[in-house]
Amino acid sequence: SQQGEEDPQALSIQEGENATMNCSYKTSINNLQWYRQNSGRGLVHLILIRSNEREKHSGRLRVTLDTSKKSSSLLITASRAADTASYFCAREYTGGFKTIFGAGTRLFVKA
Amino acid sequence: ETGVTQSPTHLIKTRGQQVTLRCSSQSGHNTVSWYQQALGQGPQFIFQYYREEENGRGNFPPRFSGLQFPNYSSELNVNALELDDSALYLCASSLELGLNTEAFFGQGTRLTVV
Repeated sequence: SQQGEEDPQALSIQEGENATMNCSYKTSINNLQWYRQNSGRGLVHLILIRSNEREKHSGRLRVTLDTSKKSSSLLITASRAADTASYFCAREYTGGFKTIFGAGTRLFVKA
Repeated sequence: ETGVTQSPTHLIKTRGQQVTLRCSSQSGHNTVSWYQQALGQGPQFIFQYYREEENGRGNFPPRFSGLQFPNYSSELNVNALELDDSALYLCASSLELGLNTEAFFGQGTRLTVV
């Protein structure tokens, strides 16, 4: 599919562990944005990384972008039960500006 | 709070009816995108509006239509509702098309078609 893949589909970890989620894409992007969604409500913006950037941090979150592999990863360090949510990457492709989501990763953090 | 508000939060309609969903963008944002999110899936792009003009459309039939007003608020209209239209409808606003800036989402409208 045009949007690429996200993996894993689901991830279950213990509180305190790190969680890594991956996102791939197929064609050139302007940027890639990561979002969190709790219980089917609105999407909370986490980090935007532009195509000329390789790594960004925000608190316990670290996002990397490898344009040669057309992939990005989101690392959540020292996870908490409150991090339990669905995480989506959204790709803004060049030449169109619309932002395309994948199916997301469901993260479960056990206390 | 993202400053993007959607109304109503929940809605139940009957198959065949028409529905209008509303979105108020974050202040200063002139670009609005609409998404449909079925249960357990990622948001699917419906269309985008920039300065009152449609700027792109996903794989949705013509019975899905939209408007953007001079104050950049927006509407999503769906005619001849089908059961499969039951979903969470999300709008997102961003500052300016092509500026490589974040898109902020509202809390969504949960539409149930019976």
